[in-house]
Amino acid sequence: GENVEQHPSTLSVQEGDSAVIKCTYSDSASNYFPWYKQELGKRPQLIIDIRSNVGEKKDQRIAVTLNKTAKHFSLHITETQPEDSAVYFCAASKDYGNNRLAFGKGNQVVVIP
Amino acid sequence: GAVVSQHPSRVICKSGTSVKIECRSLDFQATTMFWYRQFPKQSLMLMATSNEGSKATYEQGVEKDKFLINHASLTLSTLTVTSAHPEDSSFYICSASGQVGGYTFGSGTRLTVV
Repeated sequence: GENVEQHPSTLSVQEGDSAVIKCTYSDSASNYFPWYKQELGKRPQLIIDIRSNVGEKKDQRIAVTLNKTAKHFSLHITETQPEDSAVYFCAASKDYGNNRLAFGKGNQVVVIP
Repeated sequence: GAVVSQHPSRVICKSGTSVKIECRSLDFQATTMFWYRQFPKQSLMLMATSNEGSKATYEQGVEKDKFLINHASLTLSTLTVTSAHPEDSSFYICSASGQVGGYTFGSGTRLTVV
């Protein structure tokens, strides 16, 4: 099955700086790559996703890049704010829904005011 | 947008008893339901996948006789933790996909077995 690796496990950034989290996946059949933000005790919240026919997608301060050849994708958060502090998970699936969604181990992002 | 209601949000049960967790899709038909378990400071680990009217497919290492999954209708799936033990204490969360795709998560259930 799909194996998703996520690095680094913890990331501290100064407010206003950028944060980058990288993930690699193993299954070349994977085509859907979402990123989730999870606050303690709550459900994962989808913040951005990308499908294999796109190399980059941006939504305000958040962007995701995908390199299918190298099997890796990254989350970029610019102009970080204290409310960006949370655990972020990458995931991969063969399709947008109705397919097994494999999660990375998560990344604790701490934005220092 | 798509909404999945999960109940209960918290439950405390005695060791040896069973606990049922429900997930309902409120405004769409959930063709596939995924059940995850999340231990503190860890990732979401997929336990099983179920399709309406079919038997669930369990991930390797997950005991199907201990974690009973029922997906009898397109709007309701249940996870029953049977003969619960303290090591089953965890955050259980469902995720549903409908015909248009996507993954809609329930709000999670914090299970504590004492």
